[in-house]
Amino acid sequence: ILNVEQSPQSLHVQEGDSTNFTCSFPSSNFYALHWYRWETAKSPEALFVMTLNGDEKKKGRISATLNTKEGYSYLYIKGSQPEDSATYLCALNDSSYKLIFGSGTRLLVRP
Amino acid sequence: NAGVMQNPRHLVRRRGQEARLRCSPMKGHSHVYWYRQLPEEGLKFMVYLQKENIIDESGMPKERFSAEFPKEGPSILRIQQVVRGDSAAYFCASSPPSTYEQYFGPGTRLTVT
Repeated sequence: ILNVEQSPQSLHVQEGDSTNFTCSFPSSNFYALHWYRWETAKSPEALFVMTLNGDEKKKGRISATLNTKEGYSYLYIKGSQPEDSATYLCALNDSSYKLIFGSGTRLLVRP
Repeated sequence: NAGVMQNPRHLVRRRGQEARLRCSPMKGHSHVYWYRQLPEEGLKFMVYLQKENIIDESGMPKERFSAEFPKEGPSILRIQQVVRGDSAAYFCASSPPSTYEQYFGPGTRLTVT
């Protein structure tokens, strides 16, 4: 069974700080890794899908990297803003299309 | 292009009643997935459907739960004889064929009293 671990569980930062979180997974049976941004009472919003070792993706102030050989991905937020406050979810596909989610990192950005 | 639609957004049922949750995928998406978030837990896969076919139901409870995705109309997740432990948020996601990307709806929050 694929196990996806995210750390930290929660994070409080000051507006303007840069921050990063980690997603760890077994390096075998890897097909794709997803990052989602999830605000309370809204739909999880897809940020990135990565499939290749060494992949780097960027969307505005948010970027992500992938290392499939050692089994981790980092999500970076540069210059955090209060509107970045949300839960950030990591999820994996193994050999099927279903997603296996981590428990998320809750980010709170203080003005 | 409207996103994934789910209704109702909130559903209250008494123990023993039936709950029907609907999901309309994004236009052009023929694959639907249902996930459940129990209180204090993460999102867990339940079932993966394509039009008129159940592809993977390995996450579905063995009894009382069923899902369908007919040729016409939304996908339905049906829970018969609900119990308090069924109280959760149920999320639907859709994707086009041959892609790993999944787009989520806003969820249906089921409360069993």
